Amino acid sequence: QVQLVQSGAEMKKPGSSVKVSCKASGGTFTSYAISWIQQAPGQGPEWMGDIVPFFGTTNYAQRFQGRVTITADESSNTVYMELSSLKSEDSAMYYCARAVGIGAFDIWGQGTMVTVSS
Amino acid sequence: DIQMTQSPSTLSASVGDRVTITCRASQSISIWLAWYQQKPGKAPKVLINKASSLESGVPSRFSGSGSGTEFALTISSLQPDDFATYYCQQYKTYAYTFGQGTKLELK
Repeated sequence: QVQLVQSGAEMKKPGSSVKVSCKASGGTFTSYAISWIQQAPGQGPEWMGDIVPFFGTTNYAQRFQGRVTITADESSNTVYMELSSLKSEDSAMYYCARAVGIGAFDIWGQGTMVTVSS
Repeated sequence: DIQMTQSPSTLSASVGDRVTITCRASQSISIWLAWYQQKPGKAPKVLINKASSLESGVPSRFSGSGSGTEFALTISSLQPDDFATYYCQQYKTYAYTFGQGTKLELK
């Protein structure tokens, strides 16, 4: 069974960037879409964007367009999410999640907490 | 973006109760809707996809219904493990969007 394992918690300064990784273990995700989802404390999840590693295609939510970049390294079964120009409002848990075709997110990573503070 | 509106925001219920959470989409999403359960400190877990298809391993007391713009998640007989926050999510159109959540708490 595929598991998504994310990198550890990050503390960043305002204006800097953060890069979070999501590695598939127990299988590959090449033909699936991997999304990144932000969840601020006490708030609902918010979809940021996704990538289909096989095609290298990406889609981004308007709210994060220009600040988020999602990439994939098929050789290591790892997807990355980089968020730039960090603000305190970006302090949140970030999840990667898999969708099979046009589908719900059936497998989630454990989450990576990003804290932005001066 | 398609807006997803859940009601109620909070629901107080007892073990054994039958409860229903509703989700409304701002435009038709056909059946491209999922329901998730989230417990504190954990990632969401998918319960239902395509509006009414139960995910493997999810207890049969959970059921989903609806299409177009109106959807519902019903728990037929609440168990202690069901007290959590529930979210609906549409995946018909980018940007995928979630409802604001319904917190199911013990009365």
